[in-house]
Amino acid sequence: QSVLTQPPSVSAAPGQKVTISCSGSSSNIGTYHVSWYQQFPGTAPKLLIYDNDKRPSGIPDRFSGSKSGTSATLGISGLQTGDEADYYCGTWDSSLSAGLFGGGTKLTVL
Amino acid sequence: EVQLVESGGGLVQPGRSLRLSCAAYGFIFEDSAMHWVRQPPGMGLQWVSGINWNSGFTGYADSVRGRFTISRDNAKRSLYLQMNNLRPEDTALYFCTRGSGYDTYSEYDYWGRGALVTVSS
Repeated sequence: QSVLTQPPSVSAAPGQKVTISCSGSSSNIGTYHVSWYQQFPGTAPKLLIYDNDKRPSGIPDRFSGSKSGTSATLGISGLQTGDEADYYCGTWDSSLSAGLFGGGTKLTVL
Repeated sequence: EVQLVESGGGLVQPGRSLRLSCAAYGFIFEDSAMHWVRQPPGMGLQWVSGINWNSGFTGYADSVRGRFTISRDNAKRSLYLQMNNLRPEDTALYFCTRGSGYDTYSEYDYWGRGALVTVSS
């Protein structure tokens, strides 16, 4: 069981918005920035959001991130079938002196 | 263009050892922390180990501490993972990833394609 908790799956219709939550604690999300990663089957993960809410060059503004206290949220608006993928949150933990990932959330665009 | 290329994966018997390597291209290697992240078949991402820019800090997941050793050679632009006393539960695709800063707590901004490690008798 992951230290960071994500819902196993979310779904929404094309064009709609979906949010994915990531819940942690004071030693991880409460202290460090959160990043989000998108992974398609058979490929390496790709950085989607860093420093809680910043997008790397080339990531559409349909993807957004936020953090409050010990939780973070990834938002995806204007859903497209091409957004169907697994999404992971990540951060560092000061108590463990280790990196952490959430368990992952599978997005289905109905 | 940033590239990370893993090598050294394969099939190994339980209790044996394997050494993964990651060759880095297209960026100033000594300016970045580096990490190993693994993904067992059909499962999620697991952080394995990380090392800061000058090898002054190394960190390990509880599941590998005492068995795995991470190291880097900045002159050779290479990252390594020495894996000893391998167990079947270590079977996974192992990704080499770059941290965006000098220290290990920043995000992973570039990833290799992964090296498959299978531990089985």
